[in-house]
Amino acid sequence: DTEVTQTPKHLVMGMTNKKSLKCEQHMGHRAMYWYKQKAKKPPELMFVYSYEKLSINESVPSRFSPECPNSSLLNLHLHALQPEDSALYLCASRLRQGDQPQHFGDGTRLSIL
Amino acid sequence: ELKVEQNPLFLSMQEGKNYTIYCNYSTTSDRLYWYRQDPGKSLESLFVLLSNGAVKQEGRLMASLDTKARLSTLHITAAVHDLSATYFCAVDVHQGAQKLVFGQGTRLTINP
Repeated sequence: DTEVTQTPKHLVMGMTNKKSLKCEQHMGHRAMYWYKQKAKKPPELMFVYSYEKLSINESVPSRFSPECPNSSLLNLHLHALQPEDSALYLCASRLRQGDQPQHFGDGTRLSIL
Repeated sequence: ELKVEQNPLFLSMQEGKNYTIYCNYSTTSDRLYWYRQDPGKSLESLFVLLSNGAVKQEGRLMASLDTKARLSTLHITAAVHDLSATYFCAVDVHQGAQKLVFGQGTRLTINP
């Protein structure tokens, strides 16, 4: 069990669907991250939120839209995805921008039909 | 652009043997992290190395950091099957905000 909770664990959607991924942590962490991981590859950073403000967008296509409603919650809104977007999406959090490691959730495995 | 390179990318070894995974990075950083990932699972933090000469040990794993050489090592002593996993090193960089840049990962298989 991880202290970063992601839902759903699995998601299958069509290219015209709209869905959202959710990430929650109650450790008081103020930095939160979205990563995309393809099979047998390292995680690729997508977005960084620091104190609920978007700090980094790694040139992610606009069909991915992040949202941080409060310090415990991070969403990733999905719209008009492509088959190549199928991957494991990992959320992570960190106490603050500093020396502590990032804590990862179990991920959402996304399949685009 | 920061590059983080691990070596080897694949490692198959027998139980009881010792081996080392290397992580080289291309820019100045004094924060390096090692993570473990089991197939289909999330990443588990193993070690946090925060200064030159830092050495951390947990069970059969020992990690070290040489910031001058921009090199970290993960040493496995007397390997056991349960250590089979993919191991990532990651370097902390500051680009507007702090972020991790991961190495390619080393897929370790330990055979009985």
